[in-house]
Amino acid sequence: EAGVAQSPRYKIIEKRQSVAFWCNPISGHATLYWYQQILGQGPKLLIQFQNNGVVDDSQLPKDRFSAERLKGVDSTLKIQPAKLEDSAVYLCASSWEYLSGANVLTFGAGSRLTVL
Amino acid sequence: AQSVTQLDSHVSVSEGTPVLLRCNYSSSYSPSLFWYVQHPNKGLQLLLKYTSAATLVKGINGFEAEFKKSETSFHLTKPTAHMSDAAEYFCVVSVRTSGSYIPTFGRGTSLIVHP
Repeated sequence: EAGVAQSPRYKIIEKRQSVAFWCNPISGHATLYWYQQILGQGPKLLIQFQNNGVVDDSQLPKDRFSAERLKGVDSTLKIQPAKLEDSAVYLCASSWEYLSGANVLTFGAGSRLTVL
Repeated sequence: AQSVTQLDSHVSVSEGTPVLLRCNYSSSYSPSLFWYVQHPNKGLQLLLKYTSAATLVKGINGFEAEFKKSETSFHLTKPTAHMSDAAEYFCVVSVRTSGSYIPTFGRGTSLIVHP
């Protein structure tokens, strides 16, 4: 099966600019996750979708970050305006559903953001 | 609230010697626990998972982990390290919170394998 697709792989912007990342999950996976991984740290969950509804976004900085998952398939994560501390790898993952603790996440390759 | 603590940021071993990566969790409910591996410039990949069945879980590439409820631990082991095992390893706990399971990652342990 095709994996989780993410783009762009790399993005360099200046602070206060905006950026958007795109994710296409595995076909049939109802749950989609966006994680932020800062260098030297573990991934931090930003937002979790079930189909096109939000399950958890408690750690999403809503003053600058937004995410949507229209039609319950593809998702876009936007940052506007970017800050230096947003430099990180943004990981998208998907799974069958969120109602089982045995849910295994399949990750994309990530989008590396550098804010200058 | 749930959390996971990886006790070592770096572990260094010689090729052919055993590997031990330590993980402790905190959870009010019965957790599901996972280990993921991240090789340089590659995506995160599942190594193994525990979901309340057998407490000793076998994963890919010879890794295994034992769930110890009394110690709230889920340490990852491998009898013999290979150079290809050098990577970042993440322990993950997933507990039902307000009706849904939220996977929470530890900070990671970097495994260094010396020839």
